Amino acid sequence: GAVVSQHPSRVICKSGTSVKIECRSLDFQATTMFWYRQFPKQSLMLMATSNEGSKATYEQGVEKDKFLINHASLTLSTLTVTSAHPEDSSFYICSARDPEGAEKLFFGSGTQLSVL
Amino acid sequence: QKEVEQNSGPLSVPEGAIASLNCTYSDRVSQSFFWYRQYSGKSPELIMSIYSNGDKEDGRFTAQLNKASQYVSLLIRDSQPSDSATYLCAVNSDGNTGKLIFGQGTTLQVKP
Repeated sequence: GAVVSQHPSRVICKSGTSVKIECRSLDFQATTMFWYRQFPKQSLMLMATSNEGSKATYEQGVEKDKFLINHASLTLSTLTVTSAHPEDSSFYICSARDPEGAEKLFFGSGTQLSVL
Repeated sequence: QKEVEQNSGPLSVPEGAIASLNCTYSDRVSQSFFWYRQYSGKSPELIMSIYSNGDKEDGRFTAQLNKASQYVSLLIRDSQPSDSATYLCAVNSDGNTGKLIFGQGTTLQVKP
């Protein structure tokens, strides 16, 4: 299947700093990527839909000024957590649709963010 | 609000038994359904997809869909300890964008 690469896998930062997470489609072009967040023992919550060349579409309750999404190319989407606070500590996962047209998603390996 | 519901478990079965995982969804117009397996600290991996009513088999896995009852299930035959993980049910909530709504997941424990 298609490969989605996500970096870094783990980040520890101080409160108030910004953290950038990268998501790359390695062997296909992804016009749409999705960013999810997962708290311990909870499900994946969709944060936003990242669209290449246009603004991201955020889910209700997600602060777009806090979670900046940039999808400048067909293979790269980035999520920046601005002014991170301890409550932002979570597992962040990106995903991309199957390039062959099926509706399944391929996931990156995830980023565990810990804000001290 | 569109919802996907799963029993969080844990569901404990002995090795070699059949594990049955269940999921219900609220959006009647949903057309695509997926089961993902997630090991602790890892991202989800796709196990099965199902689009039409009935059963779909792939190796030890069988997905069952009943759109009238808004119910989808996953059966795992000959369960192995390596099957111990959290199983996430996902439903396509928007055919245009392809975004998925996930259930909270069911934790499966297969005991040797």
